[in-house]
Amino acid sequence: DAEITQSPRHKITETGRQVTLACHQTWNHNNMFWYRQDLGHGLRLIHYSYGVQDTNKGEVSDGYSVSRSNTEDLPLTLESAASSQTSVYFCASSPAGSDEQFFGPGTRLTVL
Amino acid sequence: GENVEQHPSTLSVQEGDSAVIKCTYSDSASNYFPWYKQELGKGPQLIIDIRSNVGEKKDQRIAVTLNKTAKHFSLHITETQPEDSAVYFCAASSNYQLIWGAGTKLIIKP
Repeated sequence: DAEITQSPRHKITETGRQVTLACHQTWNHNNMFWYRQDLGHGLRLIHYSYGVQDTNKGEVSDGYSVSRSNTEDLPLTLESAASSQTSVYFCASSPAGSDEQFFGPGTRLTVL
Repeated sequence: GENVEQHPSTLSVQEGDSAVIKCTYSDSASNYFPWYKQELGKGPQLIIDIRSNVGEKKDQRIAVTLNKTAKHFSLHITETQPEDSAVYFCAASSNYQLIWGAGTKLIIKP
């Protein structure tokens, strides 16, 4: 079955380290999104992509970067992790021209 | 930009009763309003959505209403069951980007 996966599911890192969170979908969806979820804030958009080689900044993009070299993957990189980036991160995808987003299971990131 | 407010943050109802969650949005250009359910340890999952050219949509025990003039939309769950316990999120969208409410934790009391 087609799906969207995230890895790792849990990560503990130290302040200043570079961290990459993986997102892989097998639906062949054009659109992919990264969100962070914090208590009281719902989901906030970090970066999004509408296709290969396309990336765009979202509401809370500072300190994060993404690259889209193929349809299936949109890795999220924290260049220099900060304690304020401790959060649960969700990846989502949607077909071109569709509003419905399908979510991965999330990655819980702790920055010490 | 768009801003979505969601109320209440926590809602506790007796099993079998109805639950109503309300959201308001600010951008009149938003044209798509989904509701997602998130269970513990999982990603959000779409349960129902409505577009700006429709006033109400129903799917079994859940329904969504939209008032474009007032810029608010609501989720209605009837005959609540224990499996309805979860966090519910509303969102508003234009151009395929979703702006989310802060979520409502729904507790179903036995």
